[in-house]
Amino acid sequence: GIQVEQSPPDLILQEGANSTLRCNFSDSVNNLQWFHQNPWGQLINLFYIPSGTKQNGRLSATTVATERYSLLYISSSQTTDSGVYFCAVDFSGAGSYQLTFGKGTKLSVIP
Amino acid sequence: GAVVSQHPSRVICKSGTSVKIECRSLDFQATTMFWYRQFPKKSLMLMATSNEGSKATYEQGVEKDKFLINHASLTLSTLTVTSAHPEDSSFYICSARDRRLSGNTIYFGEGSWLTVV
Repeated sequence: GIQVEQSPPDLILQEGANSTLRCNFSDSVNNLQWFHQNPWGQLINLFYIPSGTKQNGRLSATTVATERYSLLYISSSQTTDSGVYFCAVDFSGAGSYQLTFGKGTKLSVIP
Repeated sequence: GAVVSQHPSRVICKSGTSVKIECRSLDFQATTMFWYRQFPKKSLMLMATSNEGSKATYEQGVEKDKFLINHASLTLSTLTVTSAHPEDSSFYICSARDRRLSGNTIYFGEGSWLTVV
């Protein structure tokens, strides 16, 4: 069936360190987004990135659609980066905008 | 960017009662909104697709009569949990697509924590 797999499930970083989060998906995608869920539950949209590379400050993302994976890079991590990072994918060719979420990567940045 | 607002952010209700959660797109029209459910330390699971002016489309395993969805206007969708039970306690979150923006980006509300006692 349709799958979205994220790795690692948990990650602990020292403040200032860099990290790479990975998202593998099982089929071609119409939409791929990365989200950060803060401790209060709110989902913050980080990137819409069905293909290519984007950067926003200390964060960047790359999706290689032909190889069915996406990477989220966090550089010079800060304690405020802590939370759960989700990759979500819309597999519908018609663009239904129904997102299938991975299980997330829980990031803890320690001072 | 687009703003999606949910209300209430937290609600506690007694078993057997019903509770309504609202999802509003504040600065854009959304013909389609989505309702997700998230259990503690788990991922988000799509419950249903809310279509303005028509019936919602529910995912397999989601009880239509228990989770009533109404999308009465282009900016408002409501989720009513009927005859709530403790196992309905969860984090409910809605989303909508802003057609004005390129890239078909989906935006999420702040979520609603439901506790049934």
